[in-house]
Amino acid sequence: DIQMTQSPSSLSASVGDRVTITCRASQSIGSYLNWYQQKPGEAPKLLIYIASTLQSGVPSRFSGSGSGTDFTLTISSLQPEDFATYYCQQSYNARTFGQGTKVEIK
Amino acid sequence: QVRLQESGPGLVKPSQTLSLTCTVSGGSISSGSYYWSWIRQPAGKGLEWIGRVSSSGITNYSPSLRSRVTISLDTSKNHFSLQLNSVTAADTAVYYCARETLVGAPFDLWGQGTLVTVSS
Repeated sequence: DIQMTQSPSSLSASVGDRVTITCRASQSIGSYLNWYQQKPGEAPKLLIYIASTLQSGVPSRFSGSGSGTDFTLTISSLQPEDFATYYCQQSYNARTFGQGTKVEIK
Repeated sequence: QVRLQESGPGLVKPSQTLSLTCTVSGGSISSGSYYWSWIRQPAGKGLEWIGRVSSSGITNYSPSLRSRVTISLDTSKNHFSLQLNSVTAADTAVYYCARETLVGAPFDLWGQGTLVTVSS
């Protein structure tokens, strides 16, 4: 199985901050990496797919980069509605998710 | 607009079979452009992929659950289903159905989720 490890597990940030979340795969997955946002009581929402392609309707302050085993999700200027938990997910072989990164208000 | 809706019992006894259905509205489940997946999330924990079925009925399962899972498609009812056998308390979770696209294989559309509790 391909294991996905996110860091940090949680972070505190202020509105307007630049936030970076990393995701590491246990083996190379090319660009088969997707990012999701989940708010309490809601289903996850797709933000970015194939490592760096922004899903339709997602604000441009979200961006993704990386390939192989190391990936990054960046929020350029954190907004109040961005406080949530973020998950990476590989779609190279079977499907596995990272453990999540909770973004909290500082 | 395509929507997914999970349905099924909210309470299942240990050792019995968990059965859920995901009804697709606003589009055809027979479209060859998608796979149809089940994903679960225990309270306060992360997401676990269970498995998927293609529009032609081909299935793929998580290695850790393969021995207990069956996912099937019913094109006449435009829904797909999950059966998980021999459940224990560890199977208590919110269960989501989701659509997976062929390009990059992300889950681009999700149901709202349904809580299934395993308890006697």
